[in-house]
Amino acid sequence: EAGVVQSPRYKIIEKKQPVAFWCNPISGHNTLYWYRQNLGQGPELLIRYENEEAVDDSQLPKDRFSAERLKGVDSTLKIQPAELGDSAVYLCASSSYDKEEQFFGPGTRLTVL
Amino acid sequence: GIQVEQSPPDLILQEGANSTLRCNFSDSVNNLQWFHQNPWGQLINLFYIPSGTKQNGRLSATTVATERYSLLYISSSQTTDSGVYFCAVERYGGSQGNLIFGKGTKLSVKP
Repeated sequence: EAGVVQSPRYKIIEKKQPVAFWCNPISGHNTLYWYRQNLGQGPELLIRYENEEAVDDSQLPKDRFSAERLKGVDSTLKIQPAELGDSAVYLCASSSYDKEEQFFGPGTRLTVL
Repeated sequence: GIQVEQSPPDLILQEGANSTLRCNFSDSVNNLQWFHQNPWGQLINLFYIPSGTKQNGRLSATTVATERYSLLYISSSQTTDSGVYFCAVERYGGSQGNLIFGKGTKLSVKP
């Protein structure tokens, strides 16, 4: 069974530029999560989707961050415009409706110059 | 919110040694997971263990929910065990699916 797929793996951009990250969850997993991991810290939840509905986006900085999961499968997280402090690893995870265990993708390492 | 504390923060072992990593949490939980983050950044699931004891090869874990702690045991450590070990919990009655991570234990296994 394929794991959570994310792309790109690495992204370097200038500040004020837009950037987007893509995630495809494990097949059959209806719940999708986006986390951000700062250097030396554990991941922190940004947003959680149940199918195509964002059911918890309380930690998402909505002034510059947006996310979508239009067909309830893959998802895109966007930052516009990026700031220096957005440099981090962005992780996507998924879980099935009847199990709480979350499985993580390899992440996208973002560097904002 | 719930606090998750991991100890020790850093651990250096000689290959073949055994170790115990600890995770304390400040509230009741309905989900607890242990992860290994390898040097390439991938979070690898080790255990889903909100209570009880599980074993997988050289690794085992025990969660005592009533006393709010979990232990991860690594036996006969290998250099490939190096990396950061995270404990993550979901507070009982809290925002569903919101895993709160500790700061991790950085393990270095020397040959």
